Amino acid sequence: EPEVTQTPSHQVTQMGQEVILRCVPISNHLYFYWYRQILGQKVEFLVSFYNNEISEKSEIFDDQFSVERPDGSNFTLKIRSTKLEDSAMYFCASSQMGTTDTQYFGPGTRLTVL
Amino acid sequence: DAKTTQPTSMDCAEGRAANLPCNHSTISGNEYVYWYRQIHSQGPQYIIHGLKNNETNEMASLIITEDRKSSTLILPHATLRDTAVYYCIVRSINQAGTALIFGKGTTLSVSS
Repeated sequence: EPEVTQTPSHQVTQMGQEVILRCVPISNHLYFYWYRQILGQKVEFLVSFYNNEISEKSEIFDDQFSVERPDGSNFTLKIRSTKLEDSAMYFCASSQMGTTDTQYFGPGTRLTVL
Repeated sequence: DAKTTQPTSMDCAEGRAANLPCNHSTISGNEYVYWYRQIHSQGPQYIIHGLKNNETNEMASLIITEDRKSSTLILPHATLRDTAVYYCIVRSINQAGTALIFGKGTTLSVSS
């Protein structure tokens, strides 16, 4: 069964450094998403992406964040200058365009900012 | 904010049916009810969704009341591996590509 994959599973970085989190969505899906979950808190939406453009973003997704689909398979989330409060699990998801548009999630990347 | 209300926690004995309720009294006619679960810190896992008819798949059954203001997710024979946080999410048919709004969900504990 096709699934969303994410790399790395765990990323440790120093405050102020740039990080890139990578995702490979399900191959015939057209919408891509990033969510995050700070330890002990709810899953929060960051951004959705369709047709090489951001289609929706939350207030969390400020200028420090960017997304890109650099090739036909990868979908990336870049955080330019990490802060301590960026420490969280980051989940990628994808969906086929369609009436029900079910989103399927990857296993997540745990980002630790020191 | 989430448009659903769920109990904070529930317990279930292994092998018994787990019935997880969800209240969505403000649901509108073009909104689906989705259920996801999250095991420990893994990515949310899609379980099932429905509009107004009851639905069943290999994982669970979804019972939606006739007025659509509440629903119940049924895991027919719960196992220890079903211990997870279960999220009930309401989402419009016409919102392809938009956010899923997660609440706090119900923590289901299955014990032997």
